[in-house]
Amino acid sequence: NAGVTQTPKFQVLKTGQSMTLQCAQDMNHNSMYWYRQDPGMGLRLIYYSASEGTTDKGEVPNGYNVSRLNKREFSLRLESAAPSQTSVYFCASIGTANTGELFFGEGSRLTVL
Amino acid sequence: GENVEQHPSTLSVQEGDSAVIKCTYSDSASNYFPWYKQELGKRPQLIIDIRSNVGEKKDQRIAVTLNKTAKHFSLHITETQPEDSAVYFCAASEGNSGYSTLTFGKGTMLLVSP
Repeated sequence: NAGVTQTPKFQVLKTGQSMTLQCAQDMNHNSMYWYRQDPGMGLRLIYYSASEGTTDKGEVPNGYNVSRLNKREFSLRLESAAPSQTSVYFCASIGTANTGELFFGEGSRLTVL
Repeated sequence: GENVEQHPSTLSVQEGDSAVIKCTYSDSASNYFPWYKQELGKRPQLIIDIRSNVGEKKDQRIAVTLNKTAKHFSLHITETQPEDSAVYFCAASEGNSGYSTLTFGKGTMLLVSP
């Protein structure tokens, strides 16, 4: 199984450009998440989708939008990228209900110049 | 919302020594406490977890303890090996709804020297 797949793995943007990070999971998980990881800041939740058709804000949602396209796919969009959005982005999905175990993708390193 | 504090931020030990990482949380409703290990350039992966009805859990060289009254939990690694070198994250969640939103600590970089 591929697990959680994210694309692209690396991206360089100029300030003001837009882009979408794609995420897909093949484990039939209901819940999916987007985190950002910055040095010394740990993993911070941007948005999550508890189930298909629902999305909710996490700790740091400003500047981002998400779409739960179907049960497998959960995308993260930056409408107008800013240097503060330079980060490593992780998509994740949850395993068995109530265990809380997150399965992470490999990460997407985004640099905004 | 939940707030998770993790200490120390860096920890250096000699191979064979024990390592202890401590976390505190703020939300008394939290009942699920996982630990993730992230090797350099890799994704975080779950290594052990504990629920609020259990005080201690062991898995070979790693163990987690939970003190729900004091709202703190710890990761213990015995007989450390160089391959234990990584960043370790604690997390907490309420997790009663069929899904959970984990709040992570800021991480501890563990370096095990041969």
